[in-house]
Amino acid sequence: AQRVTQPEKLLSVFKGAPVELKCNYSYSGSPELFWYVQYSRQRLQLLLRHISRESIKGFTADLNKGETSFHLKKPFAQEEDSAMYYCALRYGGSQGNLIFGKGTKLSVKP
Amino acid sequence: EPEVTQTPSHQVTQMGQEVILRCVPISNHLYFYWYRQILGQKVEFLVSFYNNEISEKSEIFDDQFSVERPDGSNFTLKIRSTKLEDSAMYFCASSDPRGDGYTFGSGTRLTVV
Repeated sequence: AQRVTQPEKLLSVFKGAPVELKCNYSYSGSPELFWYVQYSRQRLQLLLRHISRESIKGFTADLNKGETSFHLKKPFAQEEDSAMYYCALRYGGSQGNLIFGKGTKLSVKP
Repeated sequence: EPEVTQTPSHQVTQMGQEVILRCVPISNHLYFYWYRQILGQKVEFLVSFYNNEISEKSEIFDDQFSVERPDGSNFTLKIRSTKLEDSAMYFCASSDPRGDGYTFGSGTRLTVV
């Protein structure tokens, strides 16, 4: 069965420090991985998808099939990065459904 | 930028009552979804909908739930007889034909009392 694991409920860092939000997945097929962000009282927004290999707001994520991981990284955290971050796996093709991890709350202190 | 619109933003209902949550997906999207998030828990898949029928549903989506696309723009989730445990944020999402990723609505917070 498909599963997404985000081991940290809360990650607290100081402004300017590096950030790594962990995500591991379990899926027998070829995975499509995403990171979504939810700022306070706002909607879920797509941050990154592994296929596009882009950097958004300074965040990057690399799919490591050997370790079944898709960790989200940013070299220098900003206060405005404080939010809930959800890792998600899509199965069943390009219109398939998303399985979400439990989320990690990132808190960036001044 | 196109948005998925959900109404109402917050609904309070008595246990046993029927509720209808409304969503207007992005106009050229063809795939529609409902997810829910119980307070403090993860976002969970409920149902996906394509070509006027359910594509897939989770075990959460029992006979109390139904979805409908009554016209060309709205996509609704109905809960026939609400239970306390139905209290959650309900998110609608739609996906474009290329499957580049979902666009989520801002959610409806349902409180069953």
